[in-house]
Amino acid sequence: AQSVTQLDSQVPVFEEAPVELRCNYSSSVSVYLFWYVQYPNQGLQLLLKYLSGSTLVKGINGFEAEFNKSQTSFHLRKPSVHISDTAEYFCAVTLGPGSASKIIFGSGTRLSIRP
Amino acid sequence: GAVVSQHPSRVICKSGTSVKIECRSLDFQATTMFWYRQFPKQSLMLMATSNEGSKATYEQGVEKDKFLINHASLTLSTLTVTSAHPEDSSFYICSARPGRALLLEQYFGPGTRLTVT
Repeated sequence: AQSVTQLDSQVPVFEEAPVELRCNYSSSVSVYLFWYVQYPNQGLQLLLKYLSGSTLVKGINGFEAEFNKSQTSFHLRKPSVHISDTAEYFCAVTLGPGSASKIIFGSGTRLSIRP
Repeated sequence: GAVVSQHPSRVICKSGTSVKIECRSLDFQATTMFWYRQFPKQSLMLMATSNEGSKATYEQGVEKDKFLINHASLTLSTLTVTSAHPEDSSFYICSARPGRALLLEQYFGPGTRLTVT
């Protein structure tokens, strides 16, 4: 069965500094990977996804992630964060297309931006 | 873009009563909808998967008689928490997947915060 591990529960950074949120997955088959953001008391918004092709994926709000199959990682990065990036970030994995495919979420990483 | 709504956004109910939460896909048809539960500062836990016109598939450990799911149309799924108790207090989030098989994304609703007193 597939699983997702987010190694950091909290990541504090200063405004305009770069940030990396780590995500590792385990699966015996090919997977599709996602990063979602959740602002306080709101649902989830898709930041970016990796389905196939280029391993460097660019998303919204200046975020990008790199799929590394050998290291089974899908780390999220942003070169310069803003106060508005303060939120909870979830890495997620699904096995593939079809209505039966479920998304499995990691435990989340709380990104807090200091002025 | 695809929009999913939930109603109500917040609900407070007394212990022993039932509460219904609606999840609607506003601009697309959702053959599959998912219900999640999220405790404070924790991740989303999948409760059940519902397909239009058929019975929901519940995850292990989720009481199907307590959390009734109805997916009566391609744009509406409901979650009814029956005989609610304080331990059912949580943030409930639904998501909807469009009918196109190649589209892997789920579109999430804004969530419903349930407080049982």
